[in-house]
Amino acid sequence: NAGVTQTPKFQVLKTGQSMTLQCAQDMNHEYMSWYRQDPGMGLRLIHYSVGAGITDQGEVPNGYNVSRSTTEDFPLRLLSAAPSQTSVYFCASSLQNNQPQHFGDGTRLSIL
Amino acid sequence: AQSVAQPEDQVNVAEGNPLTVKCTYSVSGNPYLFWYVQYPNRGLQFLLKYITGDNLVKGSYGFEAEFNKSQTSFHLKKPSALVSDSALYFCAVRDKKKVNTGFQKLVFGTGTRLLVSP
Repeated sequence: NAGVTQTPKFQVLKTGQSMTLQCAQDMNHEYMSWYRQDPGMGLRLIHYSVGAGITDQGEVPNGYNVSRSTTEDFPLRLLSAAPSQTSVYFCASSLQNNQPQHFGDGTRLSIL
Repeated sequence: AQSVAQPEDQVNVAEGNPLTVKCTYSVSGNPYLFWYVQYPNRGLQFLLKYITGDNLVKGSYGFEAEFNKSQTSFHLKKPSALVSDSALYFCAVRDKKKVNTGFQKLVFGTGTRLLVSP
């Protein structure tokens, strides 16, 4: 079982570049979320989706866009990368709101 | 707003000894509480959850957690630690507030690193 798959695993960008972090799940989960993990700060919610075509902002959405055209895929776009966006990014999915989330293995992103 | 606090950045324990990783919460109403574990270069893995019912919740890999309403705590425990338990542990609470999409976000603590020595 693949679960939640994130690509790429590592990426280095220059300030101002754009890129898309990919996330795919094969569990037919409606709920999907993007988090960033920074030392000493736990995980912070960037954007989330409750189903295809429905997305909303989390607590740290600035500089990021998302879309959800299918149940399986939930890409995260960095519009113009900044050094403050250097972080580890995790995608997660769950079947229902009160069910545990399944996490991908993360994308480690460095912005120079 | 809902929040959780993990007061210890790191917990050190010898293999075979019992371990406790502390978590306290602040919520309005009854909490939905979770523990997750993160191994190096991996995503978070669900360990256990408390929704309602028994105060002692059993989870994966021999872990359990004790819900204490009067102390607003949800400490993670294991009777006998293994070296392989060394990892980063996160406590989380589900925010009761539903936004217009019906979504209730998870609020994570800052994490506690558990180091089990042989």
